[in-house]
Amino acid sequence: DAKTTQPTSMDCAEGRAANLPCNHSTISGNEYVYWYRQIHSQGPQYIIHGLKNNETNEMASLIITEDRKSSTLILPHATLRDTAVYYCIVRPSPNDYKLSFGAGTTVTVRA
Amino acid sequence: DVKVTQSSRYLVKRTGEKVFLECVQDMDHENMFWYRQDPGLGLRLIYFSYDVKMKEKGDIPEGYSVSREKKERFSLILESASTNQTSMYLCASSRAGPAGLWQYFGPGTRLTVT
Repeated sequence: DAKTTQPTSMDCAEGRAANLPCNHSTISGNEYVYWYRQIHSQGPQYIIHGLKNNETNEMASLIITEDRKSSTLILPHATLRDTAVYYCIVRPSPNDYKLSFGAGTTVTVRA
Repeated sequence: DVKVTQSSRYLVKRTGEKVFLECVQDMDHENMFWYRQDPGLGLRLIYFSYDVKMKEKGDIPEGYSVSREKKERFSLILESASTNQTSMYLCASSRAGPAGLWQYFGPGTRLTVT
């Protein structure tokens, strides 16, 4: 599986965009990039995923570089409720269901 | 709204007790999962079920068993609880096939074995 590298922590001002980077330089052609988050004392929550193209949903946008070696999760207007640990994951194949989280990025949104 | 529920948020058991953790999903998902999450070790898969009565071992199945008699319910059983099974236990579900590549999680059960 491709390994991912994320910053340990970052702060963001409420109402501003939060840009969360993830490096996955060993990613192969058929591996998807997934983002989950985990708010304190809650179960993880799926945010978004992508393969090559940029993706957007009601929660966030995912920007994947052309060489696919890195990606950025964008929370367009961060709120205090977005304070959480964010995990970037690379999924090796559509039939691989096993999720494995690393340390992730602890995002703190400040008023 | 999709929902995965777990039988308890907090549980305290004694060493050697048999422990049942139950998970129910209301999304008609084919796949269900049990993970444990520990500080510094991240999220680890214990067991996975892709259909009623079907199961596959995850990365750390030792000391655990599972049961899936109905599609919506997936139980995790600790046959003889030990202190090293003190952890946060998370249940998840997903659809089968490529459309089910993302998982919905329950709130978790924090189990303490004394």
